[in-house]
Amino acid sequence: GIQVEQSPPDLILQEGANSTLRCNFSDSVNNLQWFHQNPWGQLINLFYIPSGTKQNGRLSATTVATERYSLLYISSSQTTDSGVYFCAVVYAGAGSYQLTFGKGTKLSVIP
Amino acid sequence: SAVISQKPSRDICQRGTSLTIQCQVDSQVTMMFWYRQQPGQSLTLIATANQGSEATYESGFVIDKFPISRPNLTFSTLTVSNMSPEDSSIYLCSVDGGSGPQHFGDGTRLSIL
Repeated sequence: GIQVEQSPPDLILQEGANSTLRCNFSDSVNNLQWFHQNPWGQLINLFYIPSGTKQNGRLSATTVATERYSLLYISSSQTTDSGVYFCAVVYAGAGSYQLTFGKGTKLSVIP
Repeated sequence: SAVISQKPSRDICQRGTSLTIQCQVDSQVTMMFWYRQQPGQSLTLIATANQGSEATYESGFVIDKFPISRPNLTFSTLTVSNMSPEDSSIYLCSVDGGSGPQHFGDGTRLSIL
């Protein structure tokens, strides 16, 4: 099946710093999503971005489908950004609909 | 986007018992998915539930342990049977967004004593 690799696995930031999280995938995809899982376990949709660039406030994401990677940018980080960030993809093959998740990046933002 | 209600939000159960988790969607959807997230791990797909047909299970998951119902296009249940401490996880349902994103419920945090 398709492989999804996220880096770095862990990241500690001082409040106000910027960061870039990376997601590499091993095959063509027709869906790519970034999620933030908060300390209560809720999975928050950040971006649906199978290709191109999107921005939402301090967060932005870019997916270069031809090179099989996506980047999530967090600017001016806040303590509430702490949690685990997951990248998940749907393989573009026939009959494939389920998301395959990476192992996540655990972000800790300290005051 | 679809609104998904998942119940219960958390539970503590005795080993050997079973628990049924419900997932209700506010619109009709073709495909629903059940995921498991073990402590400190990523999400793993348990099965895909289509209305009117048997659920399709992923490798490592069997119907006897995780029976699934899908009686209509807005509802599904997942039962965790004969539970052991290794079943302590967050269980999440999601719905296929068609040509858009998948949406997740808030999850059920299950602890087995």
